[in-house]
Amino acid sequence: AQKVTQAQTEISVVEKEDVTLDCVYETRDTTYYLFWYKQPPSGELVFLIRRNSFDEQNEISGRYSWNFQKSTSSFNFTITASQVVDSAVYFCALRGDKIIFGKGTRLHILP
Amino acid sequence: DSGVTQTPKHLITATGQRVTLRCSPRSGDLSVYWYQQSLDQGLQFLIQYYNGEERAKGNILERFSAQQFPDLHSELNLSSLELGDSALYFCASSVGLAGVADTQYFGPGTRLTVL
Repeated sequence: AQKVTQAQTEISVVEKEDVTLDCVYETRDTTYYLFWYKQPPSGELVFLIRRNSFDEQNEISGRYSWNFQKSTSSFNFTITASQVVDSAVYFCALRGDKIIFGKGTRLHILP
Repeated sequence: DSGVTQTPKHLITATGQRVTLRCSPRSGDLSVYWYQQSLDQGLQFLIQYYNGEERAKGNILERFSAQQFPDLHSELNLSSLELGDSALYFCASSVGLAGVADTQYFGPGTRLTVL
């Protein structure tokens, strides 16, 4: 069975601090994809990144970076120098034969 | 703006009623997915269509059905509505070829309230 666990339900940090959102997954598939989505207060889901199971390279996009480690089945997301506009719910998702989302982490960036 | 459109934005109805939610995918995308987001269940995959054919099924109730039309827009029909069906319903689209390789782009959602 597939499972995605985002153990941090809610996180609050002060602006400019770095913050890491954890994602741990379970799957028996050898080929799978991992995703992060952002859901700002306006409600829409915004795609952030896709990573396939064969590519363990970390990725950096501006202030965002992702650390994929198959050995620990984790795909963590770090925001560097956080800003108030980063306040949102962040979802990690796993796609094997079907897509499963974690429960999300609500991130509050305090001014 | 993802390029996926959904109508209506909000829908308020009564128990026992039937509603239809509409989704237009991004230009060029052949796959459409439907999701339900509720406070207790989180974000759940309901169903996927690819080029008019049902491709995958998730946790979709028998009271719910969907279809994808020749112009690739999709409709999600919810019938015999219950209070617990109140949720945000998202549509997503993707190019839709090999399936697992796809990135899905989400619409703004339809908020359904069942009274």
